[in-house]
Amino acid sequence: TQLLEQSPQFLSIQEGENLTVYCNSSSVFSSLQWYRQEPGEGPVLLVTVVTGGEVKKLKRLTFQFGDARKDSSLHITAAQPGDTGLYLCAGSTQGGSEKLVFGKGTKLTVNP
Amino acid sequence: KAGVTQTPRYLIKTRGQQVTLSCSPISGHRSVSWYQQTPGQGLQFLFEYFSETQRNKGNFPGRFSGRQFSNSRSEMNVSTLELGDSALYLCASRRGGQSTDTQYFGPGTRLTVL
Repeated sequence: TQLLEQSPQFLSIQEGENLTVYCNSSSVFSSLQWYRQEPGEGPVLLVTVVTGGEVKKLKRLTFQFGDARKDSSLHITAAQPGDTGLYLCAGSTQGGSEKLVFGKGTKLTVNP
Repeated sequence: KAGVTQTPRYLIKTRGQQVTLSCSPISGHRSVSWYQQTPGQGLQFLFEYFSETQRNKGNFPGRFSGRQFSNSRSEMNVSTLELGDSALYLCASRRGGQSTDTQYFGPGTRLTVL
C-alpha cells in the first residue's frame, strides 16, 4: 500500500508568517498534486508537479517535488486569513489510468 | 460552465439500509472518480469510471459499487450500511484519463449512518 504522510497535521499561525507543509512517501510517484479544501466544499487543485526537482510558484505559494519523486513541500509566504483550509497532497501511481493516493491533509488556520 | 454536482448533499440512513449517490460531471468530461473522506482515514479512492467502464478500483468491500451512464453521469451504491460508512463522499470528473488532466471535485454528499 502506498502511503503519503503529511506533516504537520494541524498548523495555526498569525497573518504574515511563513509556513511549510511536507508530504513524504517511500514510494515513487509519476506526479504529485496539491489541493486546498474549504469546509463544505470539495478539494480544488492548486498545482501538479511531474519532474523530480521541479519547483512551481503560484503567487505566494511555492511547491517543490523531490529529486527522487518521493516527497514534496508547499511553502506559503506571508500567510493571509484567506489561506485557511485543508491542504492535501496526492500522488499518482502510474501514467495513464492511474488512481490518486491522498495524504490525510494539513489543516491550516491563519489568524488575523 | 457548471461544475460537478452531487445529489443529495446530505443523507441520513440506518444500519443495514442501502443508499445511492449521484454525480453529474462537468459537460464533456468522460472520467468520474469517487472518493470517501473521513477524519481518520482522509481521502480514499473508491473507483473510477471512464466511458461507462470501471477502470480502477480501490480497496473497499463489495458493498460499494458504482456505474456510469452513457451521458457520463455516475452513481455509487452502498448496500448493508455500517456505522463506519459515515463519511463525505466526493465525486470528481476530468476530461480524459491522464494524470495531467485536471480533476474537478464536487461538493460531496455527507452520509450519516445511525
